[in-house]
Amino acid sequence: AQSVTQLDSQVPVFEEAPVELRCNYSSSVSVYLFWYVQYPNQGLQLLLKYLSGSTLVESINGFEAEFNKSQTSFHLRKPSVHISDTAEYFCAVNSGANNLFFGTGTRLTVIP
Amino acid sequence: EAGVAQSPRYKIIEKRQSVAFWCNPISGHATLYWYQQILGQGPKLLIQFQNNGVVDDSQLPKDRFSAERLKGVDSTLKIQPAKLEDSAVYLCASSFGDREYTFGSGTRLTVV
Repeated sequence: AQSVTQLDSQVPVFEEAPVELRCNYSSSVSVYLFWYVQYPNQGLQLLLKYLSGSTLVESINGFEAEFNKSQTSFHLRKPSVHISDTAEYFCAVNSGANNLFFGTGTRLTVIP
Repeated sequence: EAGVAQSPRYKIIEKRQSVAFWCNPISGHATLYWYQQILGQGPKLLIQFQNNGVVDDSQLPKDRFSAERLKGVDSTLKIQPAKLEDSAVYLCASSFGDREYTFGSGTRLTVV
């Protein structure tokens, strides 16, 4: 069985401050890991993914996440957030069944 | 390329009524998914199709929910009769097998 834990349901952070959104997973097999972002009244947009290779993956808008197999984590980080980063962020895992299993989400609020 | 299209965007019905949602995936994407996202939770897979065959419907409440994907393209998800706890956003997604899932904007269902 697989599961995804996002420990923080809400993360408030001041503009231009760094942020880390935590994600831990459990799976008995190799996994593929994803971060999705959801803006109000919109669908899910892929932010970044880890399939294989380098354990550090980056998005085009400054986010990065590192796959840590020993700690079963895939935390999302950004060194300096903008107001436009305010959204809900979902961590998801795919362990071979070709469907995604999502965490409960973290609401990031950037404070001016 | 065009994204995943869903309609309607919003729907309000009374409990015990029936409702149907429509999804048109990205052209060429063999796999189609329906997810249910209850407010404050992560999306939960309801059903997965590969072309016009069902791969996984273990989480679909089959006493009231049904889905079909005729001809392996468009899909409809139906709820009959609806309950208050069915209030949620219903997301459709499609993939080509490269673990790149594209989500539609969703249908927000309110059951009163």
